Parts: sequence; structure tokens; C-alpha cells
Amino acid sequence: GQQLNQSPQSMFIQEGEDVSMNCTSSSIFNTWLWYKQDPGEGPVLLIALYKAGELTSNGRLTAQFGITRKDSFLNISASIPSDVGIYFCAASGGSNYKLTFGKGTLLTVNP
Amino acid sequence: DAGVTQSPTHLIKTRGQQVTLRCSPKSGHDTVSWYQQALGQGPQFIFQYYEEEERQRGNFPDRFSGHQFPNYSSELNVNALLLGDSALYLCASSFGTSATDTQYFGPGTRLTVL
Repeated sequence: GQQLNQSPQSMFIQEGEDVSMNCTSSSIFNTWLWYKQDPGEGPVLLIALYKAGELTSNGRLTAQFGITRKDSFLNISASIPSDVGIYFCAASGGSNYKLTFGKGTLLTVNP
Repeated sequence: DAGVTQSPTHLIKTRGQQVTLRCSPKSGHDTVSWYQQALGQGPQFIFQYYEEEERQRGNFPDRFSGHQFPNYSSELNVNALLLGDSALYLCASSFGTSATDTQYFGPGTRLTVL
């Protein structure tokens, strides 16, 4: 079945550093999304991408929808302590209404 | 503008029991999806409801069933609970009939099965 390979699994960085994480798949998707989840909470939408090649920013966050429609990346610039959490990529496509999720990237930011 | 709300926040049940979880979608949304998230994993799609009908279902047994009401709110029912059903159950809402409609998540219900 469809699955998303998200990497890295975890990251430990210093405050102020930039972060990059990505998701790949063997399947084509029409929508890529990036969510952040804090412990015990639901995922919060960060960025939604609807077009192959699209590059979208939301403050210090930038994400791109891969041109092959099989991948996406998320960059966080100048990280701050409140960036700590689990970041998930998710994708949907065609007549498939469900979101398929990656396994998440755990981000730790040392002040 | 209220976001997606879910109740209860936490629930403890024993094996074999039945449970009902509730979800109210974000204002203006007409579609509700349910996901199960085991510890350390990404959410897994259970099913989606639109116009009070189940529109798509994931790989979950028939013990998992749902309902959508005319006001677009939804319930998830799980019968004959197993230990492996312990998880965070997430509800997501969206508007429209397209598979690309963005889904917004609620805070979840933490179910523990003893």
C-alpha cells in the first residue's frame, strides 16, 4: 500500500540553527501537507501544498512539493525552543480521500 | 471561530467493552475523518463521513463503525475492545468534495484499554 518515508527520525539542534526534513514515496500524490504535533495534542497544520513544484512559506517555515509529485521537504530557519515537537508529512491524491502520514520527525532544540 | 472539538479527552475501558467517541467539526466544514494514532506512530486512517454516509474506509475491522449526524458532527464506535485498540483517536474535518481538501485535526481522545 501507499506509505511515506520520512527522515530523519529525530534531530537534536542548537537554537538558531536551520533544520531540514523530507518525505518520499513510491506513489504519486496531489497534495502534500506538513503538520506539527505536541505531546497529547492533535496535529496542527503548518503548510499545505497543492501543485507540483510549488514552494510555500509560512514565517520561518518553507516547504516544497516535489516536481515528481513523490516527495516534499520542510525547512525551518533560525530555530527557537518552541519549535520542539514532532513534525509529520502527510499526502493525499486522486480519488483517495484519506491522508497517508509519515512516521514523524522528532525535533529537539537546545537553548 | 471554534476549531474541531472532541470528547471525552481521556477514556479508560476494559477488554470486551464498547466505546463511543464524539467529534464536532470546525465551523463551516461538512466532512469528518477519523484516525487512530498508536504511540510513536503517524495517524492511520479509519474512515471518512460525508453527507451522513461513509465515503471511504481504511484497513480497520468491522468492530470500528461510525455515524455522521445532520449537523455534521460524528461518532466513532468501537465494539469488543482489544488491548491493541489503546491509542489516541483523532478527528479531522474539512469542507468540500475534493480529495485535496485540507483536513484540520482536533485534540484527540486518549483511549486506554486494560
